[in-house]
Amino acid sequence: DAKTTQPPSMDCAEGRAANLPCNHSTISGNEYVYWYRQIHSQGPQYIIHGLKNNETNEMASLIITEDRKSSTLILPHATLRDTAVYYCIVSPNQGGKLIFGQGTELSVKP
Amino acid sequence: DGGITQSPKYLFRKEGQNVTLSCEQNLNHDAMYWYRQDPGQGLRLIYYSQIVNDFQKGDIAEGYSVSREKKESFPLTVTSAQKNPTAFYLCASHRRENTEAFFGQGTRLTVV
Repeated sequence: DAKTTQPPSMDCAEGRAANLPCNHSTISGNEYVYWYRQIHSQGPQYIIHGLKNNETNEMASLIITEDRKSSTLILPHATLRDTAVYYCIVSPNQGGKLIFGQGTELSVKP
Repeated sequence: DGGITQSPKYLFRKEGQNVTLSCEQNLNHDAMYWYRQDPGQGLRLIYYSQIVNDFQKGDIAEGYSVSREKKESFPLTVTSAQKNPTAFYLCASHRRENTEAFFGQGTRLTVV
């Protein structure tokens, strides 16, 4: 079973920030938080990952709480092309299998 | 360009026939994976391979078989023993020391 809990769906207005939450209360010390997204009928795309510090790249920011039991993916200026299913996954850093949950279906609306 | 390629994109087979899905990568990645996705669901792991000539079962391996004779290739055979083979199949790869996984564009298999 997936080790994460995400809301099934969210809406966001185009140009606004999209904040996608994820609960991972049973995360262990060596597990990272990863985010992938899947646009309809395509393969998933890596977005970002982190251990305990906040991370930012050209696509998004990842905010991890101090106790590491939850995190938030932030898309700072959502566009229509960001409409996708977003998956939050916890996994050890040394490779390993990715266990996907149901994800959050984000709809960005004009 | 480097990447991971799955072929074909769409595949139709009659019930009772075995079918092999292709996955090739030129990223020099050690690890390769096969996932299955049903409508409205997340991905489920079928098989994975960390090195050539070695592979392990994932969560739903029954009715499937794989081989890893070359580093760049990881074909998946859907056998007649798989009860519900119609699904979207995704292949992925990554380096052992790099955690970013790259996915192919998938093969949509329909068994009639």
